[in-house]
Amino acid sequence: AQKVTQAQTEISVVEKEDVTLDCVYETRDTTYYLFWYKQPPSGELVFLIRRNSFDEQNEISGRYSWNFQKSTSSFNFTITASQVVDSAVYFCALSEALYNNNDMRFGAGTRLTVKP
Amino acid sequence: NAGVTQTPKFQVLKTGQSMTLQCAQDMNHEYMSWYRQDPGMGLRLIHYSVGAGITDQGEVPNGYNVSRSTTEDFPLRLLSAAPSQTSVYFCASSLANEQFFGPGTRLTVL
Repeated sequence: AQKVTQAQTEISVVEKEDVTLDCVYETRDTTYYLFWYKQPPSGELVFLIRRNSFDEQNEISGRYSWNFQKSTSSFNFTITASQVVDSAVYFCALSEALYNNNDMRFGAGTRLTVKP
Repeated sequence: NAGVTQTPKFQVLKTGQSMTLQCAQDMNHEYMSWYRQDPGMGLRLIHYSVGAGITDQGEVPNGYNVSRSTTEDFPLRLLSAAPSQTSVYFCASSLANEQFFGPGTRLTVL
């Protein structure tokens, strides 16, 4: 069965600090997809990234970067030079389906607070 | 495109009442899902549909019914609301493994 663990319930940093959000997953499939979503205080879910299991290349998008390591079943998310607007709950998710993700499993989320 | 829309945004029910949460999408996606979000538990899948006329259960289906008569609409029904169903409900449609979420419905059952 698939499972996603986000061990960090809450993280608090001061603006401009770098912060890494951890995500560890379990799956028996060789083909799967990993996701990160952001949920700001307004409540909507914002898609950040999707990564398939065959692509271990790290990705950078502005201040955001993702480190995917199959050897440790981890898909960690780093925010560089954090800003107050980064304050949100961040969810990591896993889908084992190739053409639909109706079996997507979410982690419990990490609440990030960035203080000015 | 409006994307995924949900109504109502907020709802208070008494135990035993029934209601339907509405979800619609205008992106012509075949796949739609309902999730509930509870504190400390992330999102959990309630029901999903892979196309019109086809639905299936997710991780926490008890107490909920769904139907999919059109590609656009995927309503979620609570037949007899219970306090344990107090939650935030998200509808999503998906294409190529990217889920598009609605704004959510906050439901309180007293």
